[in-house]
Amino acid sequence: DAGITQSPRHKVTETGTPVTLRCHQTENHRYMYWYRQDPGHGLRLIHYSYGVKDTDKGEVSDGYSVSRSKTEDFLLTLESATSSQTSVYFCAISAASSYNEQFFGPGTRLTVL
Amino acid sequence: SQQGEEDPQALSIQEGENATMNCSYKTSINNLQWYRQNSGRGLVHLILIRSNEREKHSGRLRVTLDTSKKSSSLLITASRAADTASYFCATDNYGQNFVFGPGTRLSVLP
Repeated sequence: DAGITQSPRHKVTETGTPVTLRCHQTENHRYMYWYRQDPGHGLRLIHYSYGVKDTDKGEVSDGYSVSRSKTEDFLLTLESATSSQTSVYFCAISAASSYNEQFFGPGTRLTVL
Repeated sequence: SQQGEEDPQALSIQEGENATMNCSYKTSINNLQWYRQNSGRGLVHLILIRSNEREKHSGRLRVTLDTSKKSSSLLITASRAADTASYFCATDNYGQNFVFGPGTRLSVLP
């Protein structure tokens, strides 16, 4: 695997609580992405970053925020988790936007009760 | 709406047979990529084909792209049990992002 780690790998939380997922890379890639994967939907882009402090929304950004204060870390925050945010979350990195392949982390399974 | 849609949704074949999966998309693209996902794992990049290419090979993988039909196919030859996985196409439309289809679940039976 490329140098991407996600933490935590599994989390169970209750509705209304804040949750932060972390993605850490050692590849020094410029682009970082957060996806969620749900049955029948494939992967859907939540937010992405094209540099430190540079982020933008994806297809399903409502209810999520992100931050990138260092090249190697990209944080995804659910300010107030809802049951509809139960999903598997994947972080991905890419050296250069859509002209290059993406490398994926191992995923975080989040359950919101 | 999703850019890429794989077909079929699920496919079961015997070891040694060839597996073909298709991907259709809706708008013009810069490139199309195929990824594999083993159960419980992250996606792994297989192959990228650019819009000006028609066919690409990588080991037992053959990818074709028909931009006039807005479709691509992934052929896995002489399949093995280890090829059992979900396969996704991802398309970009000259932006900074990819859009993934829902995937094809391939089962290769020994």
